[in-house]
Amino acid sequence: EVQLVESGGGLVKPGGSLRLSCAASGFTFSNAWMSWVRQAPGKGLEWVGRIKSKTDGGTTDYAAPVKGRFTISRDDSKNTLYLQMNSLKTEDTAVYYCTTEYSSSSGQGNWFDPWGQGTLVTVSS
Amino acid sequence: DIQMTQSPFSLSASVGDRVTITCRASQNINNYLNWYQQKPGKAPQLLIYAASSLQSGVPSRFSGSGSGTYFTLTISSLQPEDFATYYCQRSYSIPWTFGQGTKVEIK
Repeated sequence: EVQLVESGGGLVKPGGSLRLSCAASGFTFSNAWMSWVRQAPGKGLEWVGRIKSKTDGGTTDYAAPVKGRFTISRDDSKNTLYLQMNSLKTEDTAVYYCTTEYSSSSGQGNWFDPWGQGTLVTVSS
Repeated sequence: DIQMTQSPFSLSASVGDRVTITCRASQNINNYLNWYQQKPGKAPQLLIYAASSLQSGVPSRFSGSGSGTYFTLTISSLQPEDFATYYCQRSYSIPWTFGQGTKVEIK
């Protein structure tokens, strides 16, 4: 069974840092592109960023609101995805989901499936 | 960035109703459009990818259509378990963006 389990959320003060983890199982993690998507309380979904597989370059892309503050990395030996969040702001308060980003080889685009259950990050003084 | 506009923001419907949700892109995104369902307190789930392809395991009452800038998600006969929030998401170019969501409520 494919499973993604996030951890590391919690309460942090503005300007602080936090590292989220996402443990993957049930599929070949090293071949997967992985994304983080967040959802502020009562709001919609917002893509945070992604990391490609090492065979596809291992490069990262980020949404503008987090670029320069957040870093996505992966440890394929541990089947784990990370999101290092620095200089946190109150507007970063959200549930953070990790998800596998499937990239179609037949020109149909990219989509997210499956998703983890999410971990809540609260940025407040 | 390409903006996605979903409508309506919310709707009330009865079990058995046919429901249609629309998603418009601010520019042509071919068929690079996906649909997700999210129930309260749960993670989103993929319903439709590439505008009209049904994800494995998703009931056939869900269907997607459209291309270019106009897309629809249709539920042919609304079931009790379909009351949820639905999001479109484009994947034409980074950054990926989602629509604002459509909440489907019980009438």
